[in-house]
Amino acid sequence: NSKVIQTPRYLVKGQGQKAKMRCIPEKGHPVVFWYQQNKNNEFKFLINFQNQEVLQQIDMTEKRFSAECPSNSPCSLEIQSSEAGDSALYLCASSPGPNTEVFFGKGTRLTVV
Amino acid sequence: TQTVSQSDAHVTVFEGDSVELRCNYSYGGSIYLSWYIQHHGHGLQFLLKYYSGNPVVQGVNGFEAEFSKSDSSFHLRKASVHWSDSAVYFCAVSATGGYKVVFGSGTRLLVSP
Repeated sequence: NSKVIQTPRYLVKGQGQKAKMRCIPEKGHPVVFWYQQNKNNEFKFLINFQNQEVLQQIDMTEKRFSAECPSNSPCSLEIQSSEAGDSALYLCASSPGPNTEVFFGKGTRLTVV
Repeated sequence: TQTVSQSDAHVTVFEGDSVELRCNYSYGGSIYLSWYIQHHGHGLQFLLKYYSGNPVVQGVNGFEAEFSKSDSSFHLRKASVHWSDSAVYFCAVSATGGYKVVFGSGTRLLVSP
């Protein structure tokens, strides 16, 4: 069973507001991923980290999101100015390294009204 | 760039039936393949993986999958499904040594009693 912890489980924000979600990866997992899953179950990769360093991120994340994985603190993903299209399930995952099982949290469901 | 295709959006079977969920991938290099299950409102849980060796791999809860390089496929099978197997199943690929995991669009399996 996964030990990735995401908070909050549900988040409701108005358009233009900041929306911040947190993730505690499994202990000993240096790689952390963030995905956005829409209502059609489609996954969009947002960003990944190895330890505190960003490995890859998409253009949207670079422009509109703020993400970090500080040492000894939860990882976080923050939308600077929420839009209706940001309503989705945000999944955090961690893994011990490349080509290994990825462990997912239960997600933060964001609704932008 | 690796891509994943799950051709069946929905599959409905009766309890006790066998089932095969299809997954085809596209990537020219060495690849790591996996299947995940997502129950409603939850994150993803790992089922099984293939990297090398025996092309038939066993996973949790009686699931297995078979890798075929010639068909670029990694279909998931179960000999006898239970109602609790009803969920969305995702096929995922990553390039060997890569950190980015690409997910298919998912197949919703409904097992009728």
